[in-house]
Amino acid sequence: EAGVTQSPTHLIKTRGQQATLRCSPISGHTSVYWYQQALGLGLQFLLWYDEGEERNRGNFPPRFSGRQFPNYSSELNVNALELEDSALYLCASSPVYSGVYNEQFFGPGTRLTVL
Amino acid sequence: GESVGLHLPTLSVQEGDNSIINCAYSNSASDYFIWYKQESGKGPQFIIDIRSNMDKRQGQRVTVLLNKTVKHLSLQIAATQPGDSAVYFCAENLGDSWGKLQFGAGTQVVVTP
Repeated sequence: EAGVTQSPTHLIKTRGQQATLRCSPISGHTSVYWYQQALGLGLQFLLWYDEGEERNRGNFPPRFSGRQFPNYSSELNVNALELEDSALYLCASSPVYSGVYNEQFFGPGTRLTVL
Repeated sequence: GESVGLHLPTLSVQEGDNSIINCAYSNSASDYFIWYKQESGKGPQFIIDIRSNMDKRQGQRVTVLLNKTVKHLSLQIAATQPGDSAVYFCAENLGDSWGKLQFGAGTQVVVTP
């Protein structure tokens, strides 16, 4: 069974530009989560999508946004990029959401570098 | 603010010994905890989870212990192998914030021959 896939692997942008990151969940999973992992830091929750809707959002500015498509894949968009947005962006997926006890399975991440 | 934290940033273990990785959490409302392993250049890999109504759970070579009285979580790895070298994160799912996992800073485990 294929795991969570993310593209691109690496992305280099300059300040002020926009970045789009993509994620395909494990087949059968309907929830997609986005996390930011800055260098040397733990994972910070960004967004959670389930059945096409945004269900929860972390403490990030509105220029971080995303969406989930009917096939459950997802995009994360970061507008007006800043240097501190440089990080590994991780996507995770989980099966049909049934409460608190949902295992989240992670993809390999997209390394975003802002110059 | 409330957070999940790790006592030891780096743990050096000799191959074949047992490893114990500790994690302190401060949110008594947390219902669910997960341990992840992250190797260099890869995404976190699910190791084992435990619900708040349990105090121990065992997997293959790993055991997670939950002490709700002192809000402490630990991961024990038996017979540590070179392939266990990685950063280990504990994560909690807050009961009042579904979908969101709150991660600790991580512990680097280095297995020496």
